[in-house]
Amino acid sequence: AQSVSQHNHHVILSEAASLELGCNYSYGGTVNLFWYVQYPGQHLQLLLKYFSGDPLVKGIKGFEAEFIKSKFSFNLRKPSVQWSDTAEYFCAVSNNNAGNMLTFGGGTRLMVKP
Amino acid sequence: GAGVSQSPSNKVTEKGKDVELRCDPISGHTALYWYRQSLGQGLEFLIYFQGNSAPDKSGLPSDRFSAERTGGSVSTLTIQRTQQEDSAVYLCASSFGGTKNTGELFFGEGSRLTVL
Repeated sequence: AQSVSQHNHHVILSEAASLELGCNYSYGGTVNLFWYVQYPGQHLQLLLKYFSGDPLVKGIKGFEAEFIKSKFSFNLRKPSVQWSDTAEYFCAVSNNNAGNMLTFGGGTRLMVKP
Repeated sequence: GAGVSQSPSNKVTEKGKDVELRCDPISGHTALYWYRQSLGQGLEFLIYFQGNSAPDKSGLPSDRFSAERTGGSVSTLTIQRTQQEDSAVYLCASSFGGTKNTGELFFGEGSRLTVL
């Protein structure tokens, strides 16, 4: 079985600060990795994903994530956050043996102070 | 439709009653998922439908929970004899399957269930 851990449950930053949200997964085989975001009052939407190739993945709104296979990690980063980045962020993993079924981490609530 | 549609958006019920939650996936998506989002507990997988294959029910928390998908499209999640711990937001998602699979799930806005 696969599992996902997000170590930071709540993060508070000031605008222009740099962001890094941790994500670790457990699964011994090939995985697909995702970050989803849920803005206040909105539905979950895809931020970025990694299937293969360059382990540094760039997504929407200036976000990026780096897959480090040796560390089973897929941390999300943004060099300079904005107030509009206030949201809940979920890391997720799927594997080819489970179709598209995503296993999600517990989420990280980010609050950016203006 | 343009996106995944769920109804009702809010449901308040009394303990012991049955509830049905509906999901209308994006047209052309063959895969459909139900997740539960509880306060402070992230997203919990419930059940997964892919085409005509038998559903993956491994996430259903008890036999009070069931789901069906008619005609490969609309899905209904049924919770019988609701308990207070069933209170949560129930999220439906759909995606392409097979060779069109991009790995991206498209989520609806959820059905918020409150059991009194």
